[in-house]
Amino acid sequence: GAVVSQHPSWVICKSGTSVKIECRSLDFQATTMFWYRQFPKQSLMLMATSNEGSKATYEQGVEKDKFLINHASLTLSTLTVTSAHPEDSSFYICSARDRGTVGSYNSPLHFGNGTRLTVT
Amino acid sequence: AQTVTQSQPEMSVQEAETVTLSCTYDTSESDYYLFWYKQPPSRQMILVIRQEAYKQQNATENRFSVNFQKAAKSFSLKISDSQLGDAAMYFCAYRSPNYGGSQGNLIFGKGTKLSVKP
Repeated sequence: GAVVSQHPSWVICKSGTSVKIECRSLDFQATTMFWYRQFPKQSLMLMATSNEGSKATYEQGVEKDKFLINHASLTLSTLTVTSAHPEDSSFYICSARDRGTVGSYNSPLHFGNGTRLTVT
Repeated sequence: AQTVTQSQPEMSVQEAETVTLSCTYDTSESDYYLFWYKQPPSRQMILVIRQEAYKQQNATENRFSVNFQKAAKSFSLKISDSQLGDAAMYFCAYRSPNYGGSQGNLIFGKGTKLSVKP
């Protein structure tokens, strides 16, 4: 089945530093990837939509200069949390849609295992 | 904008019994997709079942089935013969088809925490 690898699975960083999270589709090409944020005991909130070769589309209230998204290839999207602060501590999850699936509009999204970010 | 509502923050079921999780949604679209995802303590999102809005027949996947009522905008999940491994957070999700400007992202409800008692 389709596999999405998200790395790292957890990271601890100091306030003011930047952290990069990678999301890779291992056995399919993903023209579109989605980045979600999940606070404890809460639902997943879409942060941004990442399209290969173009700028990401950010949801209202998400700072694009703080959460940098790059989708340089059909198998890799990265989320960089810049100048991290303790309030950025959260669980970040990526998902990807297989562009090669027939009727891909109907295909489910494949999720990574998530990244737990702790900013001290 | 579309919204998804799960009115049961927590549910409990006895092992081998049946439980139904509720989900309602609001949309003006006629063509869309609905999903139930399971998130165990590992936080991995696992697709449980999906339903295309244009299909009248309710989707089933082994012990999991849905009751899709399009007019009522209701999409409940029934878990039969509950097992200990079914304990998890369950999220109902809505998705527009990716045409007409939509990227096809998922809109999630707030989730229902399901406990299974041995």
